[in-house]
Formats: sequence, structure tokens, C-alpha cells
Amino acid sequence: KNEVEQSPQNLTAQEGEFITINCSYSVGISALHWLQQHPGGGIVSLFMLSSGKKKHGRLIATINIQEKHSSLHITASHPRDSAVYICGRSRLTFGEGTQLTVNP
Amino acid sequence: DVKVTQSSRYLVKRTGEKVFLECVQDMDHENMFWYRQDPGLGLRLIYFSYDVKMKEKGDIPEGYSVSREKKERFSLILESASTNQTSMYLCASSLSGGWGDTQYFGPGTRLTVL
Repeated sequence: KNEVEQSPQNLTAQEGEFITINCSYSVGISALHWLQQHPGGGIVSLFMLSSGKKKHGRLIATINIQEKHSSLHITASHPRDSAVYICGRSRLTFGEGTQLTVNP
Repeated sequence: DVKVTQSSRYLVKRTGEKVFLECVQDMDHENMFWYRQDPGLGLRLIYFSYDVKMKEKGDIPEGYSVSREKKERFSLILESASTNQTSMYLCASSLSGGWGDTQYFGPGTRLTVL
């Protein structure tokens, strides 16, 4: 069992929908990272958080340390949000990623 | 803007060859990382370095070695390439030892070992 589990593995949404991607981890963390990987492979770091909530534009990341769970939310989704979203524990262990497709 | 560059986007090598993957960052970052990414397995850490000449093993160091002689450059070496090392290799860097620092990724090298 991977130390970091993501769900769902694949997600298809219509433009404008609210999206949630979940991440659970089994061991303690110093920081949890959310990454975005576009077709072609380029990876961008979206958030690092160790408590509470962070917001950047239409993206919101939350973490519950007691429950060892984090969520990434996208409000008013757009086709350009289509990408693989990856969560990682302290940059050492990562989930397999969630493939998000947003249709116009 | 921080820039992390990798020496090749695509590379084809033969089994048994010694392979060097180079990574350079231009922002004086202390931490550098090498990952491989495979379908169904996600990103896995091979090695990381928190200073010049310092290195730590990640989850899957077998078959790999690394070199960091200068702060800006972190090399991944496949001593004797094998077909199971066919993968996408990603380099990353971050400013310091704080695990909350933003990580910047290179574009990746897709290595095929025949």
C-alpha cells in the first residue's frame, strides 16, 4: 500500500463544475505538496501546506492533520485545468496522480 | 523566474551503457532531487542532495548514482543501463532545507533503454 493514496484516479467534469481531488497519507508529514502536470510532462508546484487552507485563484487546498487527509478544490473549472494532479508527502513520496479532464 | 534545465528531452540508449542525465538550476538552490515517473507508480524519489557533495538515497536508488560537484548541477548516473530503467526522469530543486519550500521541476528526460 502506497503511503500516499489519491482519489479518484480519473475525473471528467463539465466546464464550470466544482471539482474535488482527495489525498490520504498514512505517515506523519512536515508538509504536503500539490503538483500539476500538464500534457507534455511539465510539472508545476501548486501548494505546500502543513495546516489549514491555502487559496490561489480558483484553486483551494485544505489539510486535516489529525485525519491525515488533504483535498484540492477547483472552483469554476475550465478546460485549461485539464492535467494530472499529484499530491506528495514532504517531497519524498507521491500519489499516483489524478487525471482531470474538463470538457467545454 | 527559476529555471531548471535538463540536458536532453529524449534519450535512447542500449542495455549496458553508462548514462549521464544532467540537471542545472540557476537560482542558487540548496536542494536538488531526481525522480522517475512511471505509469501506475507515479513519481518516485531516486536521490536528493541538500548541499554540494552531499546526497541521500530516496526510495529507489538501486542501479543509480548521483554527483553534485557544484551547487547548480546535479547529475544522475545509470552505471549500466537496463530496460527496466526506461522511464521519464524529472529533476527538481528548492531553495533550502525547509520542507515547505516551493519545488521547481525541469521539463523531464524521457529515457528509452533498448
